[in-house]
Amino acid sequence: DAKTTQPTSMDCAEGRAANLPCNHSTISGNEYVYWYRQIHSQGPQYIIHGLKNNETNEMASLIITEDRKSSTLILPHATLRDTAVYYCIVRVAFRGSQGNLIFGKGTKLSVKP
Amino acid sequence: DGGITQSPKYLFRKEGQNVTLSCEQNLNHDAMYWYRQDPGQGLRLIYYSQIVNDFQKGDIAEGYSVSREKKESFPLTVTSAQKNPTAFYLCASSEDRGVGNQPQHFGDGTRLSIL
Repeated sequence: DAKTTQPTSMDCAEGRAANLPCNHSTISGNEYVYWYRQIHSQGPQYIIHGLKNNETNEMASLIITEDRKSSTLILPHATLRDTAVYYCIVRVAFRGSQGNLIFGKGTKLSVKP
Repeated sequence: DGGITQSPKYLFRKEGQNVTLSCEQNLNHDAMYWYRQDPGQGLRLIYYSQIVNDFQKGDIAEGYSVSREKKESFPLTVTSAQKNPTAFYLCASSEDRGVGNQPQHFGDGTRLSIL
């Protein structure tokens, strides 16, 4: 699976959009981009995923560049409850162990009042 | 509500003891997974199951065992052979539509410590 690079930490003001970048320059054609977040002492929460088109759901938007070498997760109106570590994961669409989720260090997002 | 339930939230193991962690899901998902998370680190796959009565070893299966007798249940036993069991254990499940890109959804974990 391709390696991802994320900033270690970011701050965002409450009510503003949070834009979390992820670089995955070695991504291959059959690899999807997934975003999860983890609040301390809880299990990871799935946010969104995509292959090459931009995606939006009730939680966030995912913008993938045309060359697919980077992506941005957008939380449109950040709240204090969005404070968490956000993980960008790239993996092939295989089942079982071949589709294992490999979490890196992630970005610690702090939403401030 | 639909989701994944792990129990207990905290568990303590004595030396030489086997302990079993429970994972139940009511999402009607075919695939289930067990991960281990150590402090400040990512997740490592222990076992996974794509269908009832079948399961496969992950990257760190030694010292662990699982069963999948029912679609909704995937218990993990940490045996006495696991010499460093202190960790945060996470169970996940996903739909299996055959294309493999369905996201995994996680429970809230069980924190296991050694007495």
